[in-house]
Amino acid sequence: AQSVAQPEDQVNVAEGNPLTVKCTYSVSGNPYLFWYVQYPNRGLQFLLKYITGDNLVKGSYGFEAEFNKSQTSFHLKKPSALVSDSALYFCAVRDNRRGYQKVTFGIGTKLQVIP
Amino acid sequence: GAGVSQSPSNKVTEKGKDVELRCDPISGHTALYWYRQSLGQGLEFLIYFQGNSAPDKSGLPSDRFSAERTGGSVSTLTIQRTQQEDSAVYLCASLPNGGVNTEAFFGQGTRLTVV
Repeated sequence: AQSVAQPEDQVNVAEGNPLTVKCTYSVSGNPYLFWYVQYPNRGLQFLLKYITGDNLVKGSYGFEAEFNKSQTSFHLKKPSALVSDSALYFCAVRDNRRGYQKVTFGIGTKLQVIP
Repeated sequence: GAGVSQSPSNKVTEKGKDVELRCDPISGHTALYWYRQSLGQGLEFLIYFQGNSAPDKSGLPSDRFSAERTGGSVSTLTIQRTQQEDSAVYLCASLPNGGVNTEAFFGQGTRLTVV
């Protein structure tokens, strides 16, 4: 069974500092990996994805994530945090084998950027 | 519409009553997912549709939950004899062309409160 772990319920970072939101996954085949963000009282918005190729992927709002196969991780990063980045972040994984359609989400990590 | 539309946005119902939640996916999107978001529980997969068929309904919590999709478009999630533990935000997402390696597009969700 596939799973996603987001070990931190909440991450606090000062505005202007780099941020990291951690994600590890488990999947039988090779993974498709995704990050989504949820602002208060709004739906989930796609940030970025890893499908194949370059391990470092860049996405919306200056976010990036690095796929590490040996560590089964896909941590979300941003060089300089903004107060407006404060939100709930979800990591998701999908098995890339044919016929495996379920997308499994982590529990979410609340990011708080302190002015 | 341009995005995934869910209705109602909020629903308060008495314990034991039946409820229907509706999802209008993005036009042309063939894959449709239902998730449940409870406080501190992340996104719980409920069911997945490809066209009108549901290859994976493994996440439905009990036989009180059912879902259908008609015309490869609108989907309805029905909860019979609602219980207080059914209270959550129910999210719908759609993907184009089976969504093999694409991201999901989420609706705003339906907040269900069972009193």
